[in-house]
Parts: sequence; structure tokens; C-alpha cells
Amino acid sequence: DAGVIQSPRHEVTEMGQEVTLRCKPISGHDYLFWYRQTMMRGLELLIYFNNNVPIDDSGMPEDRFSAKMPNASFSTLKIQPSEPRDSAVYFCASSFGRDYEQYFGPGTRLTVT
Amino acid sequence: AQSVSQHNHHVILSEAASLELGCNYSYGGTVNLFWYVQYPGQHLQLLLKYFSGDPLVKGIKGFEAEFIKSKFSFNLRKPSVQWSDTAEYFCAVTFSGTYKYIFGTGTRLKVLA
Repeated sequence: DAGVIQSPRHEVTEMGQEVTLRCKPISGHDYLFWYRQTMMRGLELLIYFNNNVPIDDSGMPEDRFSAKMPNASFSTLKIQPSEPRDSAVYFCASSFGRDYEQYFGPGTRLTVT
Repeated sequence: AQSVSQHNHHVILSEAASLELGCNYSYGGTVNLFWYVQYPGQHLQLLLKYFSGDPLVKGIKGFEAEFIKSKFSFNLRKPSVQWSDTAEYFCAVTFSGTYKYIFGTGTRLKVLA
């Protein structure tokens, strides 16, 4: 298996622009997680899905952030409009059932200027 | 509220020194425990995990961790570190009745050659 795939790996955009991050989980995994990592705040869970349904989005910082999972093999995290404080590395992770072990993707490094 | 604490934020060791990183959690119920490692510029990878059974868990690359229920702790150890162990180490806990990963703030380990 190729593991969790994220795209793009790097994104540089200007403040106010829309940004879409993409994730393909490991086939067969039924949980998908989005995290944000910054020096100041460490690793934060933003939202997670179970069987494509959002379960907990309490970590989403504000309405500018939205996430979808239209099917078992694809999820997006969208920021609109983006702000410089959104600059961070965004990780996607997936897991299978009760095993609870999460497999992380390589991350998307977002820079908002 | 449920929480995970890693008290050592930065650790510097010489090669061959022994390592112990602390991890404590706040909840007294059933937990699953994990240690992840993030090498510079890379994504998080699982080092080891504990679900039940022998409280001394052995992971990859010579790491081990001991679950002490009475102390709500899951400390990571390695008898002799190498320069290649330079990385950030995260403790994570899932609490019974939830499917939420709570990560500690991480410990940055630097091993001097």
C-alpha cells in the first residue's frame, strides 16, 4: 500500500485566497483525521471522520475552515479565505477500526503571505 | 478534562546515553497509549503502542515504554541513543468511550555525535 497520500506537498498562497488540501487514506481504513502542526501550538486535531461522516469538528478553528469526505478514498480540507496565521503543516491520518493506530501522510506545508 | 502531559520539552543527550521521556495522562479509565516519532522534515510514525497485557512494550529501533497505571504514566525509554534518534517524540492517548486522539506537546530530542 502506498500509505496516506496528501497533495500538494507545499502550497504558497496570498492572504484571502482559497486553499484546498487533499488526502487519500489507506484503502480499507474507516477513520480519517486532519491535524495542523505549528511551532506555537504543536499538533492539533482539527476534525475526524468515520465512514465518511464527520464525527468531531470541535478542533476546526473557525468558519473559514471546512472539511469534506465525499467517499472512502478522498477528503479535502478547505480554507477560505486564507490568512497568514493559517501557515502550518497540515497532516492527514487514517486508521482501521478499533486498532486505533493512525497512519500519517507526509503533510502539506502551507504558507500564506 | 482529558489531557496528556509531556514534561520534557527539549532534551539534549550524547550518543550512548540512556533516554527516558515522560508521559502522563489525566484520566483514570481505560486508555490506549502510543508513542510516535517525527524525524526532521518527516511525518509522524508509530514507535510503539499499548492496548493491554504486558505493561512493558517493546517498539521499533530499540525503544520501549512502560505503562504504570497507578501513576497514569507511559514513559518512553532507550538504553543507548544514537545520533539518528534526533527527532521529536509525541505521546498520544485515546480514552475509553471516545475515539479522540490526544497528543502531548512533544519532546524534541537532540543527540550529539
